[in-house]
Amino acid sequence: GAVVSQHPSRVICKSGTSVKIECRSLDFQATTMFWYRQFPKKSLMLMATSNEGSKATYEQGVEKDKFLINHASLTLSTLTVTSAHPEDSSFYICSAPAEETQYFGPGTRLLVL
Amino acid sequence: QKEVEQNSGPLSVPEGAIASLNCTYSDRGSQSFFWYRQYSGKSPELIMSIYSNGDKEDGRFTAQLNKASQYVSLLIRDSQPSDSATYLCAVNMGYSGTYKYIFGTGTRLKVLA
Repeated sequence: GAVVSQHPSRVICKSGTSVKIECRSLDFQATTMFWYRQFPKKSLMLMATSNEGSKATYEQGVEKDKFLINHASLTLSTLTVTSAHPEDSSFYICSAPAEETQYFGPGTRLLVL
Repeated sequence: QKEVEQNSGPLSVPEGAIASLNCTYSDRGSQSFFWYRQYSGKSPELIMSIYSNGDKEDGRFTAQLNKASQYVSLLIRDSQPSDSATYLCAVNMGYSGTYKYIFGTGTRLKVLA
C-alpha cells in the first residue's frame, strides 16, 4: 500500500505559540490530502480537505484562521496550529488517497502547556 | 446528517473464536466501504475495502456488505490477542473520485488469551 509520513510525531509547546505539522506522500502524488483530529477514546473527526493549488476546504466548526493548511506540492501538505491553547492538545492525523483508498500518516501528538 | 454507526463495545471474544463487528450507515447512495484497525496511540491502518454486495475475504478477515440494509460487517476468524484494537468503519460519502470518508466511532475488540 501507499506510504504517508508525518512530522513531527510528537510536539510539546507553550500556549500561544504556533506549531507546524507536515504530511508527505512518499511514493505517490496526492492532489488532495485530509486532516483529522482525534481526542482520546473518540473517533476521527475530519477537520479539512487540503487541495494542491487551491484553498483548503474546512469542515463546519473548524476555524480556518486557527488551523492554517497549505498544500505546497503534490506530495506535501502542512497544518499550522496558530496561537495554540491547551484545548488544541490532540492527536492530529493526515491521510492521502491512493488506489481509491485513504492511507493514513502515523499521526502527530500535540500537547499544549 | 450523514452518519456511520458502530457499537463502541468492548467486544470480548476468546482466542480462536470468530469476532463479528457491525456497522450501519445512513446514506443509501454510498458506494465505498472500508474497515480500519487502530491500535491505541496509533493511526488507523487499512484492513479491507468492499464495494459490492456480498462477501469479500482476505486471509482471516471477511467483509460483508448489504446495501439494501445499509449494513457492513467484518468477521475475524481465529481471533488472536494481537487483533485486540479498535476497528473503525468508514464510508465514502463523497461523489465519485473523492475520498471524503465518514468514520464510525469504532468498536473496541478484546481477544482474551
